[in-house]
Amino acid sequence: KNEVEQSPQNLTAQEGEFITINCSYSVGISALHWLQQHPGGGIVSLFMLSSGKKKHGRLIATINIQEKHSSLHITASHPRDSAVYICAVSINFGNEKLTFGTGTRLTIIP
Amino acid sequence: EAGVTQFPSHSVIEKGQTVTLRCDPISGHDNLYWYRRVMGKEIKFLLHFVKESKQDESGMPNNRFLAERTGGTYSTLKVQPAELEDSGVYFCASSQVAEQYFGPGTRLTVT
Repeated sequence: KNEVEQSPQNLTAQEGEFITINCSYSVGISALHWLQQHPGGGIVSLFMLSSGKKKHGRLIATINIQEKHSSLHITASHPRDSAVYICAVSINFGNEKLTFGTGTRLTIIP
Repeated sequence: EAGVTQFPSHSVIEKGQTVTLRCDPISGHDNLYWYRRVMGKEIKFLLHFVKESKQDESGMPNNRFLAERTGGTYSTLKVQPAELEDSGVYFCASSQVAEQYFGPGTRLTVT
């Protein structure tokens, strides 16, 4: 079993819908990262969080440390949001190597 | 400010050959990480440099892989000899503190 599990693996939605991607992890962490990779593109860091909630534009990330769970929300989804979203955790302060989930492939249909 | 760059973007080699991947981190970033995604699997950690020193190489698959970071600047990852299972996308990331900035990756295909 992977230390970082994401759901769903694939998600297709209509433009404008509210999107939620979930991430559960089984180890103690120093931080949780949400990353985005567009088709043929590089990996971009969206959020790094260790508690609470962060918001950037239409994206919101939350984390519940006690439940070892994080969610990434996209409001008013748009076709340009179509990408693979990856959850990753770092376990040790001072060595921030990442352990990754398998990713969620999001497709937004116009 | 220039981002993390990787070269080449794509490499196709035959089994048994040698390939060297290069990563140029963001200037001033002491931390440099190598990761790899093989087909259908999640991205996995290979190793971590702090400046020119290997901090953690626990993810290196075997001794066919050799990583260096000359003078704490760019890094190279050499695979010698390459095997079929080495095919995948190799990502480099750099950081000054905790947030990592990723390069575009090198797609390695071993035939």
